[in-house]
Amino acid sequence: GNSVTQMEGPVTLSEEAFLTINCTYTATGYPSLFWYVQYPGEGLQLLLKATKADDKGSNKGFEATYRKETTSFHLEKGSVQVSDSAVYFCALSKIQVQGAQKLVFGQGTRLTINP
Amino acid sequence: SAVISQKPSRDICQRGTSLTIQCQVDSQVTMMFWYRQQPGQSLTLIATANQGSEATYESGFVIDKFPISRPNLTFSTLTVSNMSPEDSSIYLCSVGRPGNYGYTFGSGTRLTVV
Repeated sequence: GNSVTQMEGPVTLSEEAFLTINCTYTATGYPSLFWYVQYPGEGLQLLLKATKADDKGSNKGFEATYRKETTSFHLEKGSVQVSDSAVYFCALSKIQVQGAQKLVFGQGTRLTINP
Repeated sequence: SAVISQKPSRDICQRGTSLTIQCQVDSQVTMMFWYRQQPGQSLTLIATANQGSEATYESGFVIDKFPISRPNLTFSTLTVSNMSPEDSSIYLCSVGRPGNYGYTFGSGTRLTVV
């Protein structure tokens, strides 16, 4: 079946540090891949996505590249800010033309950025 | 992308009672999804709600405990029935469109059962 594995948290960094949150997946076929962010007390927001191999999703300084050969979608940011403190979820979905498919989430990684 | 209004945003309920959560979307969507996020955990899909048909429940979730209504293409409700403290979670609704790769989430309902 489809599954997503994220690096365990919590992750604590200092402001302006480089961030990597690892994500690997198991799926048949060619899933779409997502990173969602959940800020304290809020719902989930789509951060970025990639729909095919070698695609790079980017938003708010975050990037992730769809690597089919390593079945990975690692999240990176060159210089984190205190406002990036949140829980980050990696997720996959199988592409369906006739209907949206459910998302499968990783366990989430809590990120804390200290000033 | 769609805008979702979910309510209530939070509630504290007595064990043995039921709570109905509402999800209103600003556009017509085929599928709506209900998720549960237990404290400190990831999201688990409860069921998929299609307009005009019975909801499809995931393993471990049953209709008697989590009845769902989907009266039209913009609205759905999830009821958490006969609640116990183990039901204390955040419940979120989500929508996706055919051929779309992005999913929009409501802001969630934080439920505490005492």
